[in-house]
Amino acid sequence: DAMVIQNPRYQVTQFGKPVTLSCSQTLNHNVMYWYQQKSSQAPKLLFHYYDKDFNNEADTPDNFQSRRPNTSFCFLDIRSPGLGDAAMYLCATSSPGTSGARETQYFGPGTRLLVL
Amino acid sequence: AQSVSQHNHHVILSEAASLELGCNYSYGGTVNLFWYVQYPGQHLQLLLKYFSGDPLVKGIKGFEAEFIKSKFSFNLRKPSVQWSDTAEYFCAVNGNNAGNMLTFGGGTRLMVKP
Repeated sequence: DAMVIQNPRYQVTQFGKPVTLSCSQTLNHNVMYWYQQKSSQAPKLLFHYYDKDFNNEADTPDNFQSRRPNTSFCFLDIRSPGLGDAAMYLCATSSPGTSGARETQYFGPGTRLLVL
Repeated sequence: AQSVSQHNHHVILSEAASLELGCNYSYGGTVNLFWYVQYPGQHLQLLLKYFSGDPLVKGIKGFEAEFIKSKFSFNLRKPSVQWSDTAEYFCAVNGNNAGNMLTFGGGTRLMVKP
């Protein structure tokens, strides 16, 4: 089945130790997103790639970076995780239709990050 | 800028009760509207969506939502809930001039008592 895959499902890191979360998709969608979802809150968009074009949200901290080496893969790098970065990180994909914004985002299962 | 408001943060119902979850949005142009559900320990799944046409949209698992443009609302309904509907429900908006941006409401946590 076509899907959005996130690895690992759970990640534990130490305060200040860089960590990378990965996302892959078999949907061949050209847009990939990273969201941060803290407990009992709505997902918050960090950034997205439209093909190779990177789009950062204005309030996304510099501590968060992303890479998209090809259509299928997208990585979230947290350079120096703080305790406040503990959250669920969601990857999503979409493929805009001819009218541009008419698209559905498909979410992966998320990676829960714990910072010790 | 677009924004979404979900008024009920927590809802507790008994099985077979009817459900209505409120969602209001703020956006000056044409919108696309979504309801996502997140079951405990699972990922966000699309319940239903509205792009255009019939404002009453039917989704999976017996859910439906009605787009009322004059009220900027897209409330989610189900005539008879089941214990398995226990989950968190998110309303989301994508404005046609907002590119790919999907803005989520704060979510409503539904608990259905058996």
